[in-house]
Amino acid sequence: EAGVAQSPRYKIIEKRQSVAFWCNPISGHATLYWYQQILGQGPKLLIQFQNNGVVDDSQLPKDRFSAERLKGVDSTLKIQPAKLEDSAVYLCASSLVSGPYEQYFGPGTRLTVT
Amino acid sequence: AQSVTQLDSHVSVSEGTPVLLRCNYSSSYSPSLFWYVQHPNKGLQLLLKYTSAATLVKGINGFEAEFKKSETSFHLTKPSAHMSDAAEYFCVVTGGSQGNLIFGKGTKLSVKP
Repeated sequence: EAGVAQSPRYKIIEKRQSVAFWCNPISGHATLYWYQQILGQGPKLLIQFQNNGVVDDSQLPKDRFSAERLKGVDSTLKIQPAKLEDSAVYLCASSLVSGPYEQYFGPGTRLTVT
Repeated sequence: AQSVTQLDSHVSVSEGTPVLLRCNYSSSYSPSLFWYVQHPNKGLQLLLKYTSAATLVKGINGFEAEFKKSETSFHLTKPSAHMSDAAEYFCVVTGGSQGNLIFGKGTKLSVKP
């Protein structure tokens, strides 16, 4: 079974530029998550999708971050414009359903904003 | 609100000696608790989970954890460390209306030959 795919693996941009990350979850997983992991900290949930609907985006900085999951399969996370403090690893995860169940994580995208 | 505190940011052990990674949790209701492991340049992987069944939970690669409600702890142990165990370990509690995962800050485990 293929795991969660993410691209790109690494990205370096200058502040005020825009960037997009892509995630393809495990086939059949209805729930998709985006996390931000700043160096030295645990992952923090940014947004959760159930199929193609947003379930929780309470910690998403909506003035600069946006995400979509068209057709309920793959998803993109965008940052525009980027700030220095957005430097982090962005993790995508998926699970069969919402709730206290195992989430399967992708390898992440390491973003550096200079 | 739910939260976890990992008491050590870095633990160093010798190969073949026991491992203890400490985690305390805070929850207003009976929580689900997890331990995840993150190897360098790899995705997070579930080690084990507690969901109100047996208080002693066995996971992959010889790890286990014991849920102690009176101490609000969920420490991770392994009898004998292996070099391949060197990684970052995260204690996780579920929270919020959707049961989302709330991660601790992580404990980096180093294993010396």
